[in-house]
Amino acid sequence: AQKVTQAQTEISVVEKEDVTLDCVYETRDTTYYLFWYKQPPSGELVFLIRRNSFDEQNEISGRYSWNFQKSTSSFNFTITASQVVDSAVYFCALIFNAGNMLTFGGGTRLMVKP
Amino acid sequence: SAVISQKPSRDICQRGTSLTIQCQVDSQVTMMFWYRQQPGQSLTLIATANQGSEATYESGFVIDKFPISRPNLTFSTLTVSNMSPEDSSIYLCSVLYGLDRYTEAFFGQGTRLTVV
Repeated sequence: AQKVTQAQTEISVVEKEDVTLDCVYETRDTTYYLFWYKQPPSGELVFLIRRNSFDEQNEISGRYSWNFQKSTSSFNFTITASQVVDSAVYFCALIFNAGNMLTFGGGTRLMVKP
Repeated sequence: SAVISQKPSRDICQRGTSLTIQCQVDSQVTMMFWYRQQPGQSLTLIATANQGSEATYESGFVIDKFPISRPNLTFSTLTVSNMSPEDSSIYLCSVLYGLDRYTEAFFGQGTRLTVV
């Protein structure tokens, strides 16, 4: 089976706390692409990162960082020093075959309280 | 990169009517994708629209309910037909660029549909 699982449906933190959003995927393909998107209340999808299956380097972008572990089929997303503006639904997604459609996880709603 | 213009951004419709959503891309793409996001849910693929051929629908979605047009490589429409309150959702179009390590996925701004 090919699917994406975000086990955390909702997370609530207090501002300035660090928070990690989990993403686990299943695929038989050797080539695939991993994505994280942010969906604020306005509804649009904001692209955060893309990672290729053959590139296991972790990445840091400001307060955001991503940990890609092929051995555990995970692609976790950490926000450091969270802010109220980080409150949104975050989706992990995969393209399993080049040129195919995105398969989304169920999403994690993050609430950052002041 | 690709810029996708989707309209309308939102609409409130009466049950039994139909709504056509438009998606315009600023460059030519082979495949366009239509997703539905029901309230509080994740995105579910409705269909893949290729220019010059009929759209390919995912399980649970049928052409009579969600007819799709793809007249050229930059434009597509999705119609939600004979609407009921259960059709209230966000509808998004999407395109992919690249078939290699530079594959990117772009989304329109979404159409927030409320059926009353």
